[in-house]
Amino acid sequence: DAGITQSPRHKVTETGTPVTLRCHQTENHRYMYWYRQDPGHGLRLIHYSYGVKDTDKGEVSDGYSVSRSKTEDFLLTLESATSSQTSVYFCAISEWGANTGELFFGEGSRLTVL
Amino acid sequence: TQLLEQSPQFLSIQEGENLTVYCNSSSVFSSLQWYRQEPGEGPVLLVTVVTGGEVKKLKRLTFQFGDARKDSSLHITAAQPGDTGLYLCAGAGGTYKYIFGTGTRLKVLA
Repeated sequence: DAGITQSPRHKVTETGTPVTLRCHQTENHRYMYWYRQDPGHGLRLIHYSYGVKDTDKGEVSDGYSVSRSKTEDFLLTLESATSSQTSVYFCAISEWGANTGELFFGEGSRLTVL
Repeated sequence: TQLLEQSPQFLSIQEGENLTVYCNSSSVFSSLQWYRQEPGEGPVLLVTVVTGGEVKKLKRLTFQFGDARKDSSLHITAAQPGDTGLYLCAGAGGTYKYIFGTGTRLKVLA
Protein backbone atom coordinates (compact mmCIF):
# COMPACT_ATOMS: atom_id res chain seq x y z
CA ASP A 1 0.00 0.00 0.00
CA ALA A 2 1.11 3.54 -0.81
CA GLY A 3 2.27 5.43 2.26
CA ILE A 4 -0.42 8.06 2.66
CA THR A 5 -1.68 9.21 6.03
CA GLN A 6 -4.56 11.59 6.57
CA SER A 7 -5.24 13.35 9.85
CA PRO A 8 -7.53 13.70 11.58
CA ARG A 9 -9.63 10.78 10.38
CA HIS A 10 -12.75 12.17 12.01
CA LYS A 11 -13.60 15.68 13.11
CA VAL A 12 -16.73 17.44 14.31
CA THR A 13 -16.64 21.22 14.39
CA GLU A 14 -18.96 24.18 14.49
CA THR A 15 -19.87 26.61 11.74
CA GLY A 16 -17.39 29.46 11.46
CA THR A 17 -14.39 27.69 12.94
CA PRO A 18 -11.17 27.08 10.99
CA VAL A 19 -10.24 23.50 10.15
CA THR A 20 -7.02 22.05 8.75
CA LEU A 21 -6.70 18.58 7.31
CA ARG A 22 -3.27 17.10 6.78
CA CYS A 23 -2.04 14.66 4.17
CA HIS A 24 1.37 13.08 4.64
CA GLN A 25 3.08 10.83 2.09
CA THR A 26 6.23 8.74 2.25
CA GLU A 27 6.37 7.93 -1.50
CA ASN A 28 8.07 11.14 -2.68
CA HIS A 29 5.41 11.59 -5.36
CA ARG A 30 5.33 14.98 -7.03
CA TYR A 31 1.57 15.38 -7.40
CA MET A 32 -0.90 15.61 -4.51
CA TYR A 33 -4.63 16.16 -4.56
CA TRP A 34 -7.54 16.91 -2.27
CA TYR A 35 -10.96 15.56 -3.24
CA ARG A 36 -14.28 15.66 -1.44
CA GLN A 37 -16.82 12.87 -1.74
CA ASP A 38 -20.56 13.41 -1.37
CA PRO A 39 -23.46 11.09 -2.29
CA GLY A 40 -24.38 11.39 -5.96
CA HIS A 41 -21.29 13.44 -6.84
CA GLY A 42 -18.51 10.90 -6.95
CA LEU A 43 -15.20 12.59 -6.14
CA ARG A 44 -14.77 16.31 -6.80
CA LEU A 45 -11.35 17.92 -7.01
CA ILE A 46 -10.78 20.79 -4.56
CA HIS A 47 -7.11 21.70 -5.09
CA TYR A 48 -4.01 19.96 -6.29
CA SER A 49 -0.27 20.46 -6.14
CA TYR A 50 2.35 19.78 -8.80
CA GLY A 51 5.34 20.52 -6.62
CA VAL A 52 6.48 22.28 -3.46
CA LYS A 53 4.68 25.63 -3.25
CA ASP A 54 2.98 24.94 -6.61
CA THR A 55 -0.77 24.55 -6.33
CA ASP A 56 -3.84 25.08 -8.48
CA LYS A 57 -7.61 25.12 -8.09
CA GLY A 58 -9.94 22.27 -8.87
CA GLU A 59 -13.67 22.15 -9.55
CA VAL A 60 -14.88 23.13 -6.07
CA SER A 61 -12.17 25.34 -4.57
CA ASP A 62 -14.33 28.10 -3.06
CA GLY A 63 -13.96 28.20 0.72
CA TYR A 64 -10.77 26.12 0.71
CA SER A 65 -7.08 26.91 0.64
CA VAL A 66 -4.04 24.65 0.48
CA SER A 67 -0.36 24.77 1.21
CA ARG A 68 2.58 22.56 0.38
CA SER A 69 5.83 23.59 2.02
CA LYS A 70 7.42 20.13 1.80
CA THR A 71 7.13 17.33 -0.74
CA GLU A 72 5.56 15.03 1.82
CA ASP A 73 2.86 17.29 3.28
CA PHE A 74 -0.23 18.83 1.69
CA LEU A 75 -2.57 20.79 3.95
CA LEU A 76 -6.19 21.63 3.26
CA THR A 77 -7.66 24.54 5.23
CA LEU A 78 -11.24 25.61 5.64
CA GLU A 79 -10.90 29.19 6.85
CA SER A 80 -14.45 29.35 8.20
CA ALA A 81 -16.25 26.04 8.02
CA THR A 82 -19.85 25.89 6.78
CA SER A 83 -22.39 23.08 6.91
CA SER A 84 -22.06 22.60 3.14
CA GLN A 85 -18.46 21.52 3.75
CA THR A 86 -19.61 18.47 5.71
CA SER A 87 -18.11 15.69 3.65
CA VAL A 88 -15.51 12.97 3.40
CA TYR A 89 -12.19 14.35 2.22
CA PHE A 90 -9.65 12.22 0.39
CA CYS A 91 -6.04 12.97 -0.28
CA ALA A 92 -4.37 11.32 -3.26
CA ILE A 93 -0.85 11.19 -4.67
CA SER A 94 0.43 10.41 -8.13
CA GLU A 95 3.29 10.40 -10.55
CA TRP A 96 2.62 10.96 -14.24
CA GLY A 97 4.04 9.60 -17.46
CA ALA A 98 2.69 9.40 -21.03
CA ASN A 99 -0.67 11.10 -20.30
CA THR A 100 -1.59 8.96 -17.36
CA GLY A 101 -0.80 8.39 -13.74
CA GLU A 102 -2.27 6.16 -11.05
CA LEU A 103 -3.87 7.89 -8.09
CA PHE A 104 -3.18 6.39 -4.67
CA PHE A 105 -5.69 7.46 -2.05
CA GLY A 106 -5.58 7.88 1.69
CA GLU A 107 -8.30 6.43 3.90
CA GLY A 108 -10.27 9.65 4.08
CA SER A 109 -11.13 12.27 6.70
CA ARG A 110 -14.77 12.56 7.71
CA LEU A 111 -15.65 16.16 8.59
CA THR A 112 -18.94 17.18 10.16
CA VAL A 113 -19.77 20.88 10.46
CA LEU A 114 -22.64 21.58 12.84
CA THR B 1 -16.18 22.25 -17.38
CA GLN B 2 -15.52 18.59 -18.06
CA LEU B 3 -18.15 16.23 -16.69
CA LEU B 4 -18.38 12.46 -16.53
CA GLU B 5 -21.81 10.94 -16.10
CA GLN B 6 -22.10 7.35 -14.95
CA SER B 7 -25.11 5.09 -15.33
CA PRO B 8 -26.77 3.47 -13.64
CA GLN B 9 -26.29 5.23 -10.32
CA PHE B 10 -27.37 2.14 -8.36
CA LEU B 11 -27.44 -1.51 -9.34
CA SER B 12 -28.57 -4.49 -7.30
CA ILE B 13 -28.25 -7.88 -8.93
CA GLN B 14 -28.12 -11.57 -8.08
CA GLU B 15 -24.90 -13.52 -8.00
CA GLY B 16 -24.09 -14.93 -11.44
CA GLU B 17 -25.73 -12.16 -13.45
CA ASN B 18 -23.89 -9.96 -15.93
CA LEU B 19 -23.90 -6.17 -15.82
CA THR B 20 -22.55 -3.13 -17.64
CA VAL B 21 -21.74 0.27 -16.21
CA TYR B 22 -21.39 3.28 -18.51
CA CYS B 23 -19.27 6.41 -18.24
CA ASN B 24 -20.10 9.19 -20.70
CA SER B 25 -18.85 12.68 -21.44
CA SER B 26 -18.96 15.31 -24.15
CA SER B 27 -15.23 15.90 -23.60
CA VAL B 28 -12.27 14.01 -25.01
CA PHE B 29 -9.88 12.47 -22.50
CA SER B 30 -6.28 11.44 -23.06
CA SER B 31 -6.81 8.47 -20.77
CA LEU B 32 -9.54 7.03 -18.62
CA GLN B 33 -9.39 4.99 -15.46
CA TRP B 34 -11.77 2.85 -13.44
CA TYR B 35 -11.55 2.64 -9.66
CA ARG B 36 -13.39 0.56 -7.11
CA GLN B 37 -14.08 1.81 -3.60
CA GLU B 38 -15.19 -0.17 -0.58
CA PRO B 39 -16.83 1.36 2.51
CA GLY B 40 -14.43 3.29 4.73
CA GLU B 41 -11.58 3.12 2.25
CA GLY B 42 -10.16 5.17 -0.58
CA PRO B 43 -10.67 4.17 -4.23
CA VAL B 44 -8.29 1.63 -5.74
CA LEU B 45 -7.30 1.59 -9.40
CA LEU B 46 -8.64 -1.28 -11.53
CA VAL B 47 -7.48 -0.29 -15.01
CA THR B 48 -6.24 2.52 -17.25
CA VAL B 49 -7.19 2.78 -20.93
CA VAL B 50 -5.40 5.23 -23.21
CA THR B 51 -6.24 4.36 -26.83
CA GLY B 52 -9.59 4.92 -28.53
CA GLY B 53 -11.33 1.56 -29.01
CA GLU B 54 -9.07 -0.16 -26.50
CA VAL B 55 -10.44 -3.18 -24.67
CA LYS B 56 -8.83 -4.54 -21.49
CA LYS B 57 -9.80 -7.59 -19.52
CA LEU B 58 -9.17 -8.20 -15.84
CA LYS B 59 -10.50 -11.68 -14.98
CA ARG B 60 -14.31 -11.27 -15.18
CA LEU B 61 -14.14 -7.52 -15.79
CA THR B 62 -13.96 -6.06 -19.31
CA PHE B 63 -13.20 -2.39 -19.87
CA GLN B 64 -13.67 -0.53 -23.14
CA PHE B 65 -12.62 2.97 -24.17
CA GLY B 66 -14.79 4.57 -26.81
CA ASP B 67 -13.36 5.22 -30.27
CA ALA B 68 -13.65 8.97 -29.77
CA ARG B 69 -12.18 8.75 -26.24
CA LYS B 70 -15.29 10.37 -24.74
CA ASP B 71 -16.85 7.35 -23.09
CA SER B 72 -16.09 4.02 -21.48
CA SER B 73 -17.84 0.94 -20.21
CA LEU B 74 -17.21 -1.68 -17.57
CA HIS B 75 -18.75 -5.12 -18.06
CA ILE B 76 -18.77 -7.71 -15.30
CA THR B 77 -19.49 -11.33 -16.18
CA ALA B 78 -21.01 -13.66 -13.60
CA ALA B 79 -20.97 -11.12 -10.78
CA GLN B 80 -19.97 -12.28 -7.31
CA PRO B 81 -20.69 -10.76 -3.87
CA GLY B 82 -17.03 -9.71 -3.73
CA ASP B 83 -17.69 -7.35 -6.65
CA THR B 84 -19.91 -5.23 -4.40
CA GLY B 85 -18.68 -1.66 -4.13
CA LEU B 86 -18.67 1.81 -5.64
CA TYR B 87 -17.26 1.96 -9.16
CA LEU B 88 -15.83 5.26 -10.33
CA CYS B 89 -14.56 6.28 -13.74
CA ALA B 90 -12.00 9.06 -14.01
CA GLY B 91 -10.78 10.95 -17.06
CA ALA B 92 -7.47 12.74 -17.43
CA GLY B 93 -8.86 16.27 -17.53
CA GLY B 94 -5.97 18.44 -18.45
CA THR B 95 -2.84 19.28 -16.53
CA TYR B 96 -2.01 16.34 -14.29
CA LYS B 97 -5.46 15.92 -12.81
CA TYR B 98 -8.31 13.45 -13.05
CA ILE B 99 -12.00 14.32 -13.15
CA PHE B 100 -14.19 11.66 -11.57
CA GLY B 101 -17.58 10.40 -12.61
CA THR B 102 -20.64 10.39 -10.40
CA GLY B 103 -20.18 6.75 -9.40
CA THR B 104 -22.15 3.51 -9.68
CA ARG B 105 -22.97 1.68 -6.47
CA LEU B 106 -23.14 -2.07 -7.13
CA LYS B 107 -24.57 -4.65 -4.77
CA VAL B 108 -24.35 -8.31 -5.64
CA LEU B 109 -26.66 -10.55 -3.65
CA ALA B 110 -25.69 -14.12 -2.81
